[in-house]
Amino acid sequence: AQSVSQHNHHVILSEAASLELGCNYSYGGTVNLFWYVQYPGQHLQLLLKYFSGDPLVKGIKGFEAEFIKSKFSFNLRKPSVQWSDTAEYFCAVNADNNAGNMLTFGGGTRLMVKP
Amino acid sequence: DAGITQSPRHKVTETGTPVTLRCHQTENHRYMYWYRQDPGHGLRLIHYSYGVKDTDKGEVSDGYSVSRSKTEDFLLTLESATSSQTSVYFCAISELPWGEQYFGPGTRLTVT
Repeated sequence: AQSVSQHNHHVILSEAASLELGCNYSYGGTVNLFWYVQYPGQHLQLLLKYFSGDPLVKGIKGFEAEFIKSKFSFNLRKPSVQWSDTAEYFCAVNADNNAGNMLTFGGGTRLMVKP
Repeated sequence: DAGITQSPRHKVTETGTPVTLRCHQTENHRYMYWYRQDPGHGLRLIHYSYGVKDTDKGEVSDGYSVSRSKTEDFLLTLESATSSQTSVYFCAISELPWGEQYFGPGTRLTVT
């Protein structure tokens, strides 16, 4: 079974700082990759996804992520964060050995942006 | 936002009592999922459904059962609630296999 690691559990940044959140997964086959965001008290919302093609994907709210197959990574980036980006971010993987379309989630990264 | 509702949104129950959570969708998506969210664990899949009356177990299915008698409804039942089942439960739906999933607002369950 695949696993997903998010090494940064808590990140604190000032507004306008750049953001990079790490995500690594453990599966050698074909994967679909996702980043979800959960604002305080809300449900998960899809930020961006990668299925195939250009490994640099752009999502909503200025976020982007790069799939590096050789490193089993799918890191999330944003050049300049805002206070409203304060949230918890989850990386998720769906592997082609997974008959049930099950998403495997990382443990999440809590981002706090100070105004 | 996808048309997904969950009920109840909050529930407090006592150990040993049965509890049923309901997920209702208006998107006519084939796939439905139940996850639980606990600090440090992200979301973990409990059960999922790939069609009416078609369900299967996920990563943390012990102590839970599900039923899906209609496309739009997916029920999660805790036959005899335990304190370890205190969690936030999210329902999700997906139109295609291996596609993105859309999440409901969640149910916060406390077992005392």
